[in-house]
Amino acid sequence: GDSVTQMEGPVTLSEEAFLTINCTYTATGYPSLFWYVQYPGEGLQLLLKATKADDKGSNKGFEATYRKETTSFHLEKGSVQVSDSAVYFCARRVSGGYNKLIFGAGTRLAVHP
Amino acid sequence: ETGVTQSPTHLIKTRGQQVTLRCSSQSGHNTVSWYQQALGQGPQFIFQYYREEENGRGNFPPRFSGLQFPNYSSELNVNALELDDSALYLCASSKDRGQETQYFGPGTRLLVL
Repeated sequence: GDSVTQMEGPVTLSEEAFLTINCTYTATGYPSLFWYVQYPGEGLQLLLKATKADDKGSNKGFEATYRKETTSFHLEKGSVQVSDSAVYFCARRVSGGYNKLIFGAGTRLAVHP
Repeated sequence: ETGVTQSPTHLIKTRGQQVTLRCSSQSGHNTVSWYQQALGQGPQFIFQYYREEENGRGNFPPRFSGLQFPNYSSELNVNALELDDSALYLCASSKDRGQETQYFGPGTRLLVL
């Protein structure tokens, strides 16, 4: 069935380090893909999205490229900040009459000074 | 532009009780989706409402029900609460049922004792 798999956390980095959070999906066709971020005690915020193969989504220094060959949508940032500490969720859309998102389990990122 | 709001922010109930959670969609949005996020997991789709009708449902029992009102606000009702219903309940709105980007509210944290 349809699923999204993320690398397990927590991921602990020093400030200004390079970040990669892996995400792979299973699907028929080419669903739209998303990264959401959840700060402590809050709901989900859309971070970036890509709607077709080879698209690159970007926002606030984060990037992710839709790779259909590897069914992946890995999140990257060149230099993380303490304020990036949060839980990151990869998601894919399930289309067909209604608009449903399937989420991965989330990856917790902790950035220390 | 007002974002998605939810009430209450926190709620404590006992097993067997009933609960109603409320959501106001973002201005101009006619579609509302509800998700359940258990601790340490990604959100799971409960159902979606479009123009006051249920437009799609996830793998949740009938004791999870909802409503959408003419102003597109929505309620999630859960009857016969079980301990496993303890979770963060997230509401998300989108401009239309075909619009893939969903905007999430801050959530209602429900604890069932």
